[in-house]
Amino acid sequence: DAKTTQPPSMDCAEGRAANLPCNHSTISGNEYVYWYRQIHSQGPQYIIHGLKNNETNEMASLIITEDRKSSTLILPHATLRDTAVYYCIVRALNTGNQFYFGTGTSLTVIP
Amino acid sequence: GAVVSQHPSWVICKSGTSVKIECRSLDFQATTMFWYRQFPKQSLMLMATSNEGSKATYEQGVEKDKFLINHASLTLSTLTVTSAHPEDSSFYICSATIVSGSYEQYFGPGTRLTVT
Repeated sequence: DAKTTQPPSMDCAEGRAANLPCNHSTISGNEYVYWYRQIHSQGPQYIIHGLKNNETNEMASLIITEDRKSSTLILPHATLRDTAVYYCIVRALNTGNQFYFGTGTSLTVIP
Repeated sequence: GAVVSQHPSWVICKSGTSVKIECRSLDFQATTMFWYRQFPKQSLMLMATSNEGSKATYEQGVEKDKFLINHASLTLSTLTVTSAHPEDSSFYICSATIVSGSYEQYFGPGTRLTVT
């Protein structure tokens, strides 16, 4: 699976959009981009995933660059409950379905 | 939907004893479940992949005789930490895959193991 690079930490003001970047320059054509988050001492929570098109759901938007070498997770109106570690993972569907977590980005939403 | 539970949520055991952790998919069938371990301030580390009715596949460096995994049904996988030592103290998390669509994983709430 492709390796991902994320900034170790970010701050965001409450109510503002949080933009979390992820680099995956070695991504293959059949690999999806997944985003999960982990609030302290809990299991990871699925946020969103995509292949090449931008995606939006009730939690967030995922913007994938045209060359697919990077992506951005957007939380449109961050709240204090969005404070968590966010993980970007790339994975193909035919590799046993394993997820290998990187170090993620620790997002702190500031009041 | 897609809820995964773990039991117990926390456990304290003495060194040398064995501890069993259960992972259940509550509202779906999961042919594949995964076990992760997470030390403080670190990321999740995949330990093993568990397929229903077959032997688990362990990641490199994970002792299969120490971490026994049984996936007896489509809704239950168990992880037994045998002869636990203080260095096995960690946060153990399971996940399950819905075999459809894009195979996203749904994670349990985790089990905090402390070995004294």
